[in-house]
Amino acid sequence: QAVVTQEPSLTVSPGGTATLTCASSTGAVTSGSYPNWFQQKPGRAPTALIYSTNKKHSWTPARFSGSLLGGKAVLTLSDVRAEDEADYYCLLHQGNAYVFGSGTKVTVL
Amino acid sequence: EVQLVESGGGLVQPGGSLRLSCAASGIAFSESWMSWVRQSPGKGLEWLANIKEDGGVRNYVDSVRGRFTISRDNTKNSLYLQMNGLRVEDTAVYFCARDPSWGAHDYWGQGTLVTVSS
Repeated sequence: QAVVTQEPSLTVSPGGTATLTCASSTGAVTSGSYPNWFQQKPGRAPTALIYSTNKKHSWTPARFSGSLLGGKAVLTLSDVRAEDEADYYCLLHQGNAYVFGSGTKVTVL
Repeated sequence: EVQLVESGGGLVQPGGSLRLSCAASGIAFSESWMSWVRQSPGKGLEWLANIKEDGGVRNYVDSVRGRFTISRDNTKNSLYLQMNGLRVEDTAVYFCARDPSWGAHDYWGQGTLVTVSS
């Protein structure tokens, strides 16, 4: 099965913008991979943020957005806040299964 | 209020078996694909399996296919994961999640810890 790669870590200043990417070993990530994004804080279950590339759940803050760029899925965090410090995972549909990315640890400093 | 509550985790010896359960409330369970996801200590998330609303389609990740079986009982609003031939590397927190649309996984349980050790 595919290997899905994300940046291991990212540091961003409060009020800044963080751009996280999600790449697949099988080739370009497209809308057909239905990219999803999740946030996970220590000791907690993941929280869904984005589905089908760029759709937001009812609880997703407006400062989070999803897109495709350069063959990768992208999660953009705008106007970053201290509470956004967490691990972020993408999830791609591959064949009849799903594969999570390796995760990005976002530090707000 | 949506609630997914996993149970059945614990300590088991290598080669042993365990059955996890996930009790759902507050969702239209019989109309939802459901998934199991796990997270080994200090590691990332791993999608394991999913099952269609009526149980007629089941998909697995290669690492558990043939050892784990996902099932559901819509009359009890419950999801299950039968785990056989457990290995040390299966040690993880196991989450159940609802998947309303192509991996969206909008609602999650709190997880149940499975430890495989002699």
